[in-house]
Amino acid sequence: KAGVTQTPRYLIKTRGQQVTLSCSPISGHRSVSWYQQTPGQGLQFLFEYFSETQRNKGNFPGRFSGRQFSNSRSEMNVSTLELGDSALYLCASTLERDSFNTEAFFGQGTRLTVV
Amino acid sequence: SQQGEEDPQALSIQEGENATMNCSYKTSINNLQWYRQNSGRGLVHLILIRSNEREKHSGRLRVTLDTSKKSSSLLITASRAADTASYFCATDDIFGNEKLTFGTGTRLTIIP
Repeated sequence: KAGVTQTPRYLIKTRGQQVTLSCSPISGHRSVSWYQQTPGQGLQFLFEYFSETQRNKGNFPGRFSGRQFSNSRSEMNVSTLELGDSALYLCASTLERDSFNTEAFFGQGTRLTVV
Repeated sequence: SQQGEEDPQALSIQEGENATMNCSYKTSINNLQWYRQNSGRGLVHLILIRSNEREKHSGRLRVTLDTSKKSSSLLITASRAADTASYFCATDDIFGNEKLTFGTGTRLTIIP
């Protein structure tokens, strides 16, 4: 069974540009969550999608957005990039919640560098 | 924001020794999960323990959970060089959200 796939693995962008990251969840998983990891703030929740709907959102500015497609694949977009957006962006895939015992499986991440 | 702290922040031990890491959290939870991360790569899922469980084993891993103290520990027995990594605990909440809140992590170094 294939794991969570994130593309691209590495990305370098210039301040002010926008970027789109992609995540393909484990087959059969319908929940996709995104996290940002930085040395200063650690791992922080961005948002979660289930059945093409955003169910939860973290405390990030509106420049960060996402969407989920009917095949559960998800994309996140960051507009007007800032230097502080440089981070490892991780996607997690979760099976539909059942009795609140759900394991989240992560992809390898996309390393975004803003210059 | 981080749910809590992990203790210690860094740990170095000899290969073959046991490693214990602790995690504290702040709110009531349904589950607590432990993850491993190698050098800024993705998170590898290690184990999930439910709030009504006190102890769980998986291979060389032993996890305990004390909900009264809002704390968990991860024990790795007979450590190997390949166990060198950062370890994170992550908690959900009682409202059924998929949002995970992570601890600050423990950097484990196994000395061959």
